[in-house]
Amino acid sequence: DAKTTQPTSMDCAEGRAANLPCNHSTISGNEYVYWYRQIHSQGPQYIIHGLKNNETNEMASLIITEDRKSSTLILPHATLRDTAVYYCIVPMDSNYQLIWGAGTKLIIKP
Amino acid sequence: EAQVTQNPRYLITVTGKKLTVTCSQNMNHEYMSWYRQDPGLGLRQIYYSMNVEVTDKGDVPEGYKVSRKEKRNFPLILESPSPNQTSLYFCASSFQGPRGEQFFGPGTRLTVL
Repeated sequence: DAKTTQPTSMDCAEGRAANLPCNHSTISGNEYVYWYRQIHSQGPQYIIHGLKNNETNEMASLIITEDRKSSTLILPHATLRDTAVYYCIVPMDSNYQLIWGAGTKLIIKP
Repeated sequence: EAQVTQNPRYLITVTGKKLTVTCSQNMNHEYMSWYRQDPGLGLRQIYYSMNVEVTDKGDVPEGYKVSRKEKRNFPLILESPSPNQTSLYFCASSFQGPRGEQFFGPGTRLTVL
């Protein structure tokens, strides 16, 4: 079973920041949080990952709470091309493979 | 161009007819993995390989085989396909194992009649 909980769907207006929450209350101290997205039925695309410090790259920012039980992916200026399913993933303990949940369907509206 | 390629992209076959879906990457990645995706669900891992000649079962390995004889290729073999293997399949590779950024192929849509 996935170790994360995400909203099923979200809307965001084009040009605004999209904030996607993720709950990972059972995360252990050395596990990273990964974010990928999947546009329609294309291959998933890596976005960002982090351990405890906030991370930023050219695509997004990742904010992880101090207790590491939840995180938020931020797309600072959402465009229509950001419409996708966003997956928040925490690896399995035993072999560090990624367990994917159903993700959040983000719809960017004009 | 750095990429993961899969062939075929679409395949319709019949129950019991052996098939192979090829996966190739040109990034010299050691880690490769196969996933299947069914409607409304996230990806489920079938098999993965940490390096040449090293393969391990994922969450749903039943009915599938893999081999890793060379670093760039990781074929998925269905010896006797059944209708419940109708799915969208993705191959992925990574330089740093599952912890690193995984690059995904475009997917293979398989229908087993």
